[in-house]
Amino acid sequence: KNQVEQSPQSLIILEGKNCTLQCNYTVSPFSNLRWYKQDTGRGPVSLTIMTFSENTKSNGRYTATLDADTKQSSLHITASQLSDSASYICVVSLHTGGGNKLTFGTGTQLKVEL
Amino acid sequence: DTEVTQTPKHLVMGMTNKKSLKCEQHMGHRAMYWYKQKAKKPPELMFVYSYEKLSINESVPSRFSPECPNSSLLNLHLHALQPEDSALYLCASSQEGRGDGYTFGSGTRLTVV
Repeated sequence: KNQVEQSPQSLIILEGKNCTLQCNYTVSPFSNLRWYKQDTGRGPVSLTIMTFSENTKSNGRYTATLDADTKQSSLHITASQLSDSASYICVVSLHTGGGNKLTFGTGTQLKVEL
Repeated sequence: DTEVTQTPKHLVMGMTNKKSLKCEQHMGHRAMYWYKQKAKKPPELMFVYSYEKLSINESVPSRFSPECPNSSLLNLHLHALQPEDSALYLCASSQEGRGDGYTFGSGTRLTVV
């Protein structure tokens, strides 16, 4: 069964600190892996996208890594800000004949405090 | 234009009402999607349109009726909904094939009373 598991489920950190979110997946065949940020009541916003041949991808203070052999990914957030408070969702894509089908993780709820 | 635009942003409807959600993109994407998302849960795929044809229907009740009038527009017609259908409804689009540029709209917050 195609699954995406994320940890931790929730996380509270102080502003300015770094944090790392984890994602393990069993989706096959693998097309790409994406990290999204979703504010409450809003649509997900893409942070990074990686194919199986890519090991790391950065977007400002966000750096994602991918190990396709162990089927693990991480999202590292540097120098956190209050605006980073959101749900972070790991999404693995497989290509079907009718369009890309995404398998979503359950997300990590991040709260950044003063 | 790199956005997926959804209207309305909020909708409250009674169980006997008929309403429609709208989604528009001008990125030349040929795959469009409807998702339903309950609070603190990941989005659940409802429908996929590929080249304006319905390609995936994830066993969605018939009170939800999708429509793709052209390559830029996607509608979701709602009729006789139940309170448990209250959720955030997300539209997304992507390039056909590799799924490049998979982009979500900001959603419609639907409340059924």
